[in-house]
Amino acid sequence: SQQGEEDPQALSIQEGENATMNCSYKTSINNLQWYRQNSGRGLVHLILIRSNEREKHSGRLRVTLDTSKKSSSLLITASRAADTASYFCATGPFTGTASKLTFGTGTRLQVTL
Amino acid sequence: EPEVTQTPSHQVTQMGQEVILRCVPISNHLYFYWYRQILGQKVEFLVSFYNNEISEKSEIFDDQFSVERPDGSNFTLKIRSTKLEDSAMYFCASQEPGIANTGELFFGEGSRLTVL
Repeated sequence: SQQGEEDPQALSIQEGENATMNCSYKTSINNLQWYRQNSGRGLVHLILIRSNEREKHSGRLRVTLDTSKKSSSLLITASRAADTASYFCATGPFTGTASKLTFGTGTRLQVTL
Repeated sequence: EPEVTQTPSHQVTQMGQEVILRCVPISNHLYFYWYRQILGQKVEFLVSFYNNEISEKSEIFDDQFSVERPDGSNFTLKIRSTKLEDSAMYFCASQEPGIANTGELFFGEGSRLTVL
């Protein structure tokens, strides 16, 4: 599998429900980030978790990181129709310098009313 | 709020033509990137740029591609002779310098390139 693969590939839930997306990666990382992409738009940074962190919260987002399993999960609580988008995890080797991100394949989230 | 801006939003070109995609990164950022996303596929790294030179490039970034920061504000991606497979959305991104750099990239809205 490739660096940064999300599952499921697609997820459809009703407004108010929680959405959980998973990401697996292969190589060592310094940090793992989650980005959102609305259809046909640019990527928006959601949250970053460092390799020495296990869990991080930001508003309705909760990210976990398990470096032993090389996996991360993104939980969106109390989802809204506006959360409909594709969600990508991205792994980065460094901070503080030019560091490319390697993006996963993405999870398409559909939140219906 | 500062943002990365890209032009054009959409360009249609004939195969073999040269294309220049333009980006204005956030003004105090020092690291710049181009990524591309072929329709329905993952976002792929093309090139990173720092201190007026390429820091890293991917296998995709062959001799047909070049980047330039001609005037201290614009950051351009040139494709010398476009191929059909260059059709994609091209994203510019920038990153803060020094200790403010958390690793987060700030992306533009993208330039959609269609090669006919």
